[in-house]
Amino acid sequence: NAGVTQTPKFRILKIGQSMTLQCTQDMNHNYMYWYRQDPGMGLKLIYYSVGAGITDKGEVPNGYNVSRSTTEDFPLRLELAAPSQTSVYFCASSRGLEETQYFGPGTRLLVL
Amino acid sequence: EDKVVQSPLSLVVHEGDTVTLNCSYEVTNFRSLLWYKQEKKAPTFLFMLTSSGIEKKSGRLSSILDKKELFSILNITATQTGDSAIYLCASSMDSNYQLIWGAGTKLIIKP
Repeated sequence: NAGVTQTPKFRILKIGQSMTLQCTQDMNHNYMYWYRQDPGMGLKLIYYSVGAGITDKGEVPNGYNVSRSTTEDFPLRLELAAPSQTSVYFCASSRGLEETQYFGPGTRLLVL
Repeated sequence: EDKVVQSPLSLVVHEGDTVTLNCSYEVTNFRSLLWYKQEKKAPTFLFMLTSSGIEKKSGRLSSILDKKELFSILNITATQTGDSAIYLCASSMDSNYQLIWGAGTKLIIKP
């Protein structure tokens, strides 16, 4: 089991560019989450999904989009990158809503 | 291979008890260790530890890091039912901003 994997590890974007952060889990978890973590701050939930085809907004969804076409994959899309989106992004998955979340190692994104 | 191991995986105690949660790490270029409390959707940040031997406290919760023995503990005194949660620890590295996560300890406090 690879668990939760994320790509890329690090990316620099110019303002206005778009990109997709990839997240894959091989644990057959229904629930998947995207968080961002800014320096000195806790995790903030961007979007989450309770199963394939179902997504919902978290605390800070503006500027992001997600899709969940399969159980395994939960990509996060930035359409028009802004400096405020400079952060470290973590993807996680869990079997149930109140069960342990398993985190990926993170993607560091720098928007200049 | 970098790894973070938490123990126990689950723990059931009675209200008023004191609990100690463990987190050991083997991480290249260790920078800091973080503790989170996970209830429902999003984990909430508890502590970040970078220096050995300096205890961080927040109410009934405290944590300390031992960089020589490569572990950290999270103590909760006079536990309450609201402390029931999954407690996660994660380690960050100097080389990048990625975190290596432990599997979590599920803590259940019985009234």
